[in-house]
Amino acid sequence: DARVTQTPRDKVTEMGQEVTMRCQPILGHNTVFWYRQTMMQGLELLAYFRNRAPLDDSGMPKDRFSAEMPDATLATLKIQPSEPRDSAVYFCASGTGANVLTFGAGSRLTVL
Amino acid sequence: RKEVEQDPGPFNVPEGATVAFNCTYSNSASQSFFWYRQDCRKEPKLLMSVYSSGNEDGRFTAQLNRASQYISLLIRDSKLSDSATYLCVVNLMTGGFKTIFGAGTRLFVKA
Repeated sequence: DARVTQTPRDKVTEMGQEVTMRCQPILGHNTVFWYRQTMMQGLELLAYFRNRAPLDDSGMPKDRFSAEMPDATLATLKIQPSEPRDSAVYFCASGTGANVLTFGAGSRLTVL
Repeated sequence: RKEVEQDPGPFNVPEGATVAFNCTYSNSASQSFFWYRQDCRKEPKLLMSVYSSGNEDGRFTAQLNRASQYISLLIRDSKLSDSATYLCVVNLMTGGFKTIFGAGTRLFVKA
């Protein structure tokens, strides 16, 4: 089965450190989404790309978060500097057009 | 107001019960609709698409009412393995398709 690969699976870091999460979408999928999930907020859309172009990152705190797709096989989400309130599970998902999304297993981030 | 709203539950039901979840969406430009299922500490996975004509997949039935901007999921003959969080999902056409998730409804099926 084709799958979306996310790294790292778990990350514990200290406040102020830079965190980079990576995602390898399914080959051939042209849409990539980044979501953040917490118990309080559920799944929040942070940013999404179509054909590697950013379409909407309005859900992302611009001062500390950035999302990029340097090539079709890699999407990154960076937090600099990280804060305790960033602690969450970050999911990457890929798809084609209006079709269903396939999610990665998520990156669990803990900022102390 | 959130774009997709669901009752968070939890719904606690006995095995064999019928349970229904509802979801409302605020943007009339919404194009396509889905239900996803998420198990504890796992990623969301597609349960089924939702069509205006209604659709059924085994014990699961999904309905869409575009006029009321309302989506439902019915589970018949609940199994212990149905215990999960059910996420209502809406695709908005905004340049590309923007996929918005509800916060989910938690279901516990008891023996």
